[in-house]
Amino acid sequence: EAGVAQSPRYKIIEKRQSVAFWCNPISGHATLYWYQQILGQGPKLLIQFQNNGVVDDSQLPKDRFSAERLKGVDSTLKIQPAKLEDSAVYLCASSQMGEPKKLFFGSGTQLSVL
Amino acid sequence: GESVGLHLPTLSVQEGDNSIINCAYSNSASDYFIWYKQESGKGPQFIIDIRSNMDKRQGQRVTVLLNKTVKHLSLQIAATQPGDSAVYFCAENRGGGADGLTFGKGTHLIIQP
Repeated sequence: EAGVAQSPRYKIIEKRQSVAFWCNPISGHATLYWYQQILGQGPKLLIQFQNNGVVDDSQLPKDRFSAERLKGVDSTLKIQPAKLEDSAVYLCASSQMGEPKKLFFGSGTQLSVL
Repeated sequence: GESVGLHLPTLSVQEGDNSIINCAYSNSASDYFIWYKQESGKGPQFIIDIRSNMDKRQGQRVTVLLNKTVKHLSLQIAATQPGDSAVYFCAENRGGGADGLTFGKGTHLIIQP
């Protein structure tokens, strides 16, 4: 079974630029999550989707971050404009309907904002 | 702040010994806990989980213990191998409908030959 796919693997941008990350969850997984992991810390939930609807975006900085999952499968996370403190690994995870709490993670996109 | 945390940022053990990684949580309403392993450059990998109605759960070479009285969670790894070297995170689900997990800061397990 293929895992969670993410791209790009690495991204370097300058502050105030915009960037987008893509995620393809495990086939059949209805729930998709985006996490931010700052170096030396545990992942922090940004947003959770159930199919194409948002379940929890309470920790998403909505002034600069946006995410969508239009067809209930792939998802994109965008940052516009980026700040230095956005430098982190952005992890996508997915889970099945029957086991909503067992998350399977992709390898992440490492973002460096200069 | 984060409610899930680990007592030690780094744990060094001899190859072949048993490892015990500890975690404290503060939310009494949390009903589900997971241990993840994260190797350098990779996403977290599921190791083992436990629901709040259990005290202990065993997997292959790993055991998770849950003490709800003192809000403490531990991960025991038997006969530690070089491949066990990684950062280990405990995570909790706080219930209430949203399924997103809350992670602690992690413990870096170092295996000495």
